[in-house]
Amino acid sequence: KAGVTQTPRYLIKTRGQQVTLSCSPISGHRSVSWYQQTPGQGLQFLFEYFSETQRNKGNFPGRFSGRQFSNSRSEMNVSTLELGDSALYLCASSPLGVESDTQYFGPGTRLTVL
Amino acid sequence: DQQVKQNSPSLSVQEGRISILNCDYTNSMFDYFLWYKKYPAEGPTFLISISSIKDKNEDGRFTVFLNKSAKHLSLHIVPSQPGDSAVYFCAATGNNRKLIWGLGTSLAVNP
Repeated sequence: KAGVTQTPRYLIKTRGQQVTLSCSPISGHRSVSWYQQTPGQGLQFLFEYFSETQRNKGNFPGRFSGRQFSNSRSEMNVSTLELGDSALYLCASSPLGVESDTQYFGPGTRLTVL
Repeated sequence: DQQVKQNSPSLSVQEGRISILNCDYTNSMFDYFLWYKKYPAEGPTFLISISSIKDKNEDGRFTVFLNKSAKHLSLHIVPSQPGDSAVYFCAATGNNRKLIWGLGTSLAVNP
């Protein structure tokens, strides 16, 4: 099976712009979670989607949003970018998103905000 | 407030010896714990997990120990190999399925 893919791999934006990141989960996986990784904060949970519905949400401002399509592909959007949004954004998929499911991660999108 | 803490940012071990990575947690509602390994420019890869009903889980060279009373878990790698050099993340979850992560420990296994 193909792994989790994320596009683009690298992105440079300026403050105030908005950005959309894409994630294609492993075929058959219905749960997609997004994480932000920064050196000082580690991996921070953003949100989880399951069957096109947001099932769980972390403590991020409303500028961070996402959606999931019927084919389980997911997009994450960040509006009005701030310098502090520079991070590695990771997407993970799992079959059902239950506690004991293994999450499979993509390689991430490195976002730099100037 | 870090609910999952990996107090050692880095660890260096000789090839063939044991690597012990530690993790502490504060939330008693956590009942499932995982270790992930991450190489540069790649996403984390699942390594091993343990449920709170167990105190040990073993998979080849990797063993995870859980001490619930101390809210502490550790990952043992025996014997350590140079290919094990990576950042190791401890993560915990409870009924809400949110994975809470530690900041990671960078392991260097020297030949």
